[in-house]
Amino acid sequence: EIVLTQSPGTLSLSPGERATLSCRASQSVSSSYLAWYQQKPGQAPRLLIYGASSRATGIPDRFSGSGSGTDFTLTISRLEPEDFAVYYCQQYGSSPPGVTFGQGTRLEIK
Amino acid sequence: QVQLVESGGGLVKPGGSLRLSCAASGFTFSDYYMSWIRQAPGKGLEWVSYISSSGSTIYYADSVKGRFTISRDNAKNSLYLQMNSLRAEDTAVYYCARAHSSGYYYHDYWGQGTLVTVSS
Repeated sequence: EIVLTQSPGTLSLSPGERATLSCRASQSVSSSYLAWYQQKPGQAPRLLIYGASSRATGIPDRFSGSGSGTDFTLTISRLEPEDFAVYYCQQYGSSPPGVTFGQGTRLEIK
Repeated sequence: QVQLVESGGGLVKPGGSLRLSCAASGFTFSDYYMSWIRQAPGKGLEWVSYISSSGSTIYYADSVKGRFTISRDNAKNSLYLQMNSLRAEDTAVYYCARAHSSGYYYHDYWGQGTLVTVSS
C-alpha cells in the first residue's frame, strides 16, 4: 500500500505570503491519480487540484499543483484569509486497488 | 446542482450494526463511481470503500474488510454502507463522495457527512 506523507504538519504564515505544501509517496504514483483537497472546520473537504496540476472548477489561480513520481507540491501564491485550513493529498492505486490520503497539513495564521 | 445527502448515523454499541444511506441528485448517478470516506474526531481523512458505476467493482480498506458492505441502487440514486461488528475505532463522520475514475481519480463532490458513534 502506498503511504503519503505530508509536510510540514503545521505551517504558520501571514496573509499575502506564499505557501508550499509537500506530499511525498512511499512509491511512485501516477500523476493522473494525485489530488489535493482543502478542509475547513465543520465542513466537508473541497477538491482543489486533480491530476497533480489541474485546478478544479471554481478554484482560484493562486492555487497550483506540481510534481511527479513520489514528490508532489501544492503552492498557494498569495495567501488570502480564507485559505487558512487543513490540506490533504490523495492518491489512487491499482495494486492493491484503493485510495489513500496523506495525514494533512494545517495552514494557520501567523 | 450536485447534492449528496447522507443519513443513518447515530449512537450504536460495540458489536452492533448500522446502515448509512446517501441520496444523490443533480447528476446522472449511474454514470459515476462512488466512495465512502470517514474522519474520526480531530483526525484526518480515511478512505473506506468505493463502488463502480454498475456496482460490479468494489474495494474496501483493510480496516473494514469483512465487516462493511457497500452497495448502490441506481434506480433510487442511492448509495449505502452496511456496517456490522462495529468497533470504537469506527467512530467518525462518514462522507459519501462522487468519484471521477476515467483517466484520473478524484472526489469532486462530497456530502455534509453523518456522524457514527460506537460506544457502550
